[in-house]
Amino acid sequence: GIQVEQSPPDLILQEGANSTLRCNFSDSVNNLQWFHQNPWGQLINLFYIPSGTKQNGRLSATTVATERYSLLYISSSQTTDSGVYFCAVGVYNQGGKLIFGQGTELSVKP
Amino acid sequence: KAGVTQTPRYLIKTRGQQVTLSCSPISGHRSVSWYQQTPGQGLQFLFEYFSETQRNKGNFPGRFSGRQFSNSRSEMNVSTLELGDSALYLCASSLAWRAEAFFGQGTRLTVV
Repeated sequence: GIQVEQSPPDLILQEGANSTLRCNFSDSVNNLQWFHQNPWGQLINLFYIPSGTKQNGRLSATTVATERYSLLYISSSQTTDSGVYFCAVGVYNQGGKLIFGQGTELSVKP
Repeated sequence: KAGVTQTPRYLIKTRGQQVTLSCSPISGHRSVSWYQQTPGQGLQFLFEYFSETQRNKGNFPGRFSGRQFSNSRSEMNVSTLELGDSALYLCASSLAWRAEAFFGQGTRLTVV
């Protein structure tokens, strides 16, 4: 089945710094989402981005489907950005099933 | 618009018991999926329902089952609980099959 790999696994930043999180996938996808898991466990939607580029405030994402990767950019990081970021993909023959990467744990220090 | 609602939020059960978790999707959403999150295995797909029919099933034993009602609410059941079933169970709803998924706050199950 499809493999989803996220890098780096851990990231420590000073407040105000920028970061790039990467998601590689091993097959064609029809769905790609980025989530932020809050301390209570809920997955918060950041982007639904099977292809192209989107921006939402300090966050932006780019998916290059032909090269099988997606990037999540966080600019001017804040302590509230801390947590685990997940990339999840859906594939054509598996309905709405999402396959998750192992996540990137981000810690933003004041 | 209310989000995805999962009940209960926390649950402690004893080995061998069974448990039922509930998920109410966003109003108008017809697809509901369930996921299990553990520190060792990460987030894994359990099953997906659309229009009361199971459309897809993950690689879990038959002790894990689910259903969807005509109002799109879904339940999942785990019978004969094992210690390894301790996990955060997350439910997601989508407007349509394969559309963007939105997650609830999860049910944290502890089996003792």
